[in-house]
Amino acid sequence: DTGVSQDPRHKITKRGQNVTFRCDPISEHNRLYWYRQTLGQGPEFLTYFQNEAQLEKSRLLSDRFSAERPKGSFSTLEIQRTEQGDSAMYLCASSFRDSINEQFFGPGTRLTVL
Amino acid sequence: AQSVAQPEDQVNVAEGNPLTVKCTYSVSGNPYLFWYVQYPNRGLQFLLKYITGDNLVKGSYGFEAEFNKSQTSFHLKKPSALVSDSALYFCAVRDASGGYQKVTFGTGTKLQVIP
Repeated sequence: DTGVSQDPRHKITKRGQNVTFRCDPISEHNRLYWYRQTLGQGPEFLTYFQNEAQLEKSRLLSDRFSAERPKGSFSTLEIQRTEQGDSAMYLCASSFRDSINEQFFGPGTRLTVL
Repeated sequence: AQSVAQPEDQVNVAEGNPLTVKCTYSVSGNPYLFWYVQYPNRGLQFLLKYITGDNLVKGSYGFEAEFNKSQTSFHLKKPSALVSDSALYFCAVRDASGGYQKVTFGTGTKLQVIP
């Protein structure tokens, strides 16, 4: 399968712990996006990368959140000192060149903070 | 700021009947508009987009959408609904001005096609 993959699919953690999620985009896509989706809501934009450069960040991305794409391929999203309000589905998507092109979404990582 | 509204949380339609899922948007410039579908336990899938040109856009699985600038709408339509169309549908918008890549999604409309 050459689609977008995310790991892990599910993560349960205790409040205050750090978590890290990984996203592997489609190989020829230079744009990578992170979204957060809560129940009953659509995906909310968090940040995006063009190759290894992080070019936009949402105000939703507090200083506890950090994302990297060190070699312009896979990306990681880390949440430090998790809070119960961080419980959500974290989605990764990739596209070729520009977000006006189709974004291909991964299956998501469901985070539960106890 | 850009925003999108999907006024219906759920739409029920009988199999074989035409369906419409509504979407309105707000942007400061011209819009890029998208529809995505989410099936249970699966990632979002792209259906269609409007960038420029013909106001009627045709997409995957027989879906189409009509861009109406005066009404700031981009309703999703299909002439004959299938039970397999039952899913969660998201409208999304991006402002074409400013060079930003952020795409804003609506809250979604659950489509239930009744056999």
